[in-house]
Amino acid sequence: QQQVKQSPQSLIVQKGGISIINCAYENTAFDYFPWYQQFPGKGPALLIAIRPDVSEKKEGRFTISFNKSAKQFSLHIMDSQPGDSATYFCAASKGQAGTALIFGKGTTLSVSS
Amino acid sequence: NAGVTQTPKFRILKIGQSMTLQCTQDMNHNYMYWYRQDPGMGLKLIYYSVGAGITDKGEVPNGYNVSRSTTEDFPLRLELAAPSQTSVYFCASSRRTSDAVEQYFGPGTRLTVT
Repeated sequence: QQQVKQSPQSLIVQKGGISIINCAYENTAFDYFPWYQQFPGKGPALLIAIRPDVSEKKEGRFTISFNKSAKQFSLHIMDSQPGDSATYFCAASKGQAGTALIFGKGTTLSVSS
Repeated sequence: NAGVTQTPKFRILKIGQSMTLQCTQDMNHNYMYWYRQDPGMGLKLIYYSVGAGITDKGEVPNGYNVSRSTTEDFPLRLELAAPSQTSVYFCASSRRTSDAVEQYFGPGTRLTVT
């Protein structure tokens, strides 16, 4: 049973375009939803995260949209740049220190110049 | 401040051999984790620790063991390597505060079992 489902598996976007990656979760006990960015040969790094008490969070070109009733959240990358080419993972947890992150399978983003 | 460091970066093992993957963090984090990453499968938790002397199983613990004798170190032991353990292994750590759930990841160890 996959608790966090992520789509699409891969994404190609033109430079300057908007990249959108979607995730859906099943466990209503989850209350922390981060997105991690991973470059080849590196470990994942936290990009942006949201709690379910807000519907949107924006940090620079990166925005998380959250729909609690639909149990879905998405990452929007505005003005996508070649340097954004990486693998993106959504995750979910119960939001307490020490609890495991449940990851989606990842989306490989390629931004063409 | 080096963050989370892992050694070795790469390793090739023969079936049945054993090895220890090392993980050290210098951020005084109480919580540490081991994940494995398989292609197209995301990351899955193997073991985690909430402090020195305390460890617990994650989603995929079979074939692995851990120990946590100090706050800084959290080694992962493979006793009888199997091809199914070919993967990239990531160690992570996080602080112990109610609102601090960000996990910081190391650079990974790429293990091949043949």
